[in-house]
Amino acid sequence: SQQGEEDPQALSIQEGENATMNCSYKTSINNLQWYRQNSGRGLVHLILIRSNEREKHSGRLRVTLDTSKKSSSLLITASRAADTASYFCATGDFGNEKLTFGTGTRLTIIP
Amino acid sequence: DAGVTQSPTHLIKTRGQQVTLRCSPKSGHDTVSWYQQALGQGPQFIFQYYEEEERQRGNFPDRFSGHQFPNYSSELNVNALLLGDSALYLCASSLLQGGDSPLHFGNGTRLTVT
Repeated sequence: SQQGEEDPQALSIQEGENATMNCSYKTSINNLQWYRQNSGRGLVHLILIRSNEREKHSGRLRVTLDTSKKSSSLLITASRAADTASYFCATGDFGNEKLTFGTGTRLTIIP
Repeated sequence: DAGVTQSPTHLIKTRGQQVTLRCSPKSGHDTVSWYQQALGQGPQFIFQYYEEEERQRGNFPDRFSGHQFPNYSSELNVNALLLGDSALYLCASSLLQGGDSPLHFGNGTRLTVT
């Protein structure tokens, strides 16, 4: 079963704009991770935020985590055509290493 | 430094047949996990192997089995294939670090069951 739900399911923006996608989850977590997937290929790890962290940055990516609301957001600034992909949040539980993925947001950057 | 490699890339099988998918982890990684991704969905955890043992298993029937070899490579076997087994099967490798180790994914095997 899916742990998380991404919102929106699909997002189209102009190149150069910022893209924000959200993730909600159901149970307590050890960490939350974001992955990118291009056209049905493998997933690429973007960023990991631990449950005791509230915000993390990596290049043009900014991730926030609100454990009280069981939600996270991923912000991509100054979007590029190459950012076109599906983005998934995934939660890691305490005591095990399996990841539970959400349903994904399909992001399209319009040149 | 090679990343995670999976073979074959595509496979077509008939209902009731058996299939074996293969995965070589990223160099230096000791843990292999398998995920099933149906079209339009997020990946679903099948199982994870470490030191040639199955450490964790998701909600998949016994028709799904696996193996890890001493060189850390892994196989996923699916018996008695059903139409619903059609999906992208993803292998991911990592270092066993208590849940904080990002997964490195291969490009997957696209399985079609007819």
